[in-house]
Amino acid sequence: QVQLVQSGAEVNKPGASVKVSCKPSGYTFSEYYIHWVRQAPGQGLEWLGRINSDSGGTDYAQKFQGRVTMTRDTSLSTLYMELRRLESDDTAVYFCARETDTSNCHAFDFWGQGTMVSVSS
Amino acid sequence: IVMTQSPATLSVSPGDRATLSCRASQSVSSNLAWYQQKPGQAPRLLIYGASTRATDIPARFSGSGSGTDFTLTISSLQSEDFAVYFCQQYNNWPITFGQGTRLEIK
Repeated sequence: QVQLVQSGAEVNKPGASVKVSCKPSGYTFSEYYIHWVRQAPGQGLEWLGRINSDSGGTDYAQKFQGRVTMTRDTSLSTLYMELRRLESDDTAVYFCARETDTSNCHAFDFWGQGTMVSVSS
Repeated sequence: IVMTQSPATLSVSPGDRATLSCRASQSVSSNLAWYQQKPGQAPRLLIYGASTRATDIPARFSGSGSGTDFTLTISSLQSEDFAVYFCQQYNNWPITFGQGTRLEIK
């Protein structure tokens, strides 16, 4: 069965960086885009960007351009999202999510369990 | 594209019908998805393409609409349906979500 397993909770200081991992299983790693979405406590969902698991090509939300980097390690079948220059507003649960295989359908059919990132001095 | 959901909270009795709305600030064609989220869990895909149920989603969930106005209908509420529901447009980058509708037991 398809699963996306993320790394554990992180506590960081303002100005620091965080790197969250996402390890899919149950499907061919290279065949799907992976997106990153975050959710601040009690709030809605915010899209950060996506990565092509095959080519490594990325698309980022303009809001995060220059501060986020999404990568993958094909030898480990693992994807990563790094967010730099953290601020308190970055405190949120970060999810990785698999894009559906339906043509031109950027909806997310499987999600990781989420990684809580807390930013506090 | 700004996605606006209404109402913010909907109180419905088990067995009744629930109707949730989502409006886009400009046309998103049929490129709209609905998700259900329970506390402490990741969202779960219910509907994509505005009206296509995702795998293993019960038939009591249905989606309709196109352009700017969309509806998620749950025909006969079960106890497990009380949750927060989000709409998402994927017609234009960046992908955006509505702020959510909380469906609570009346």
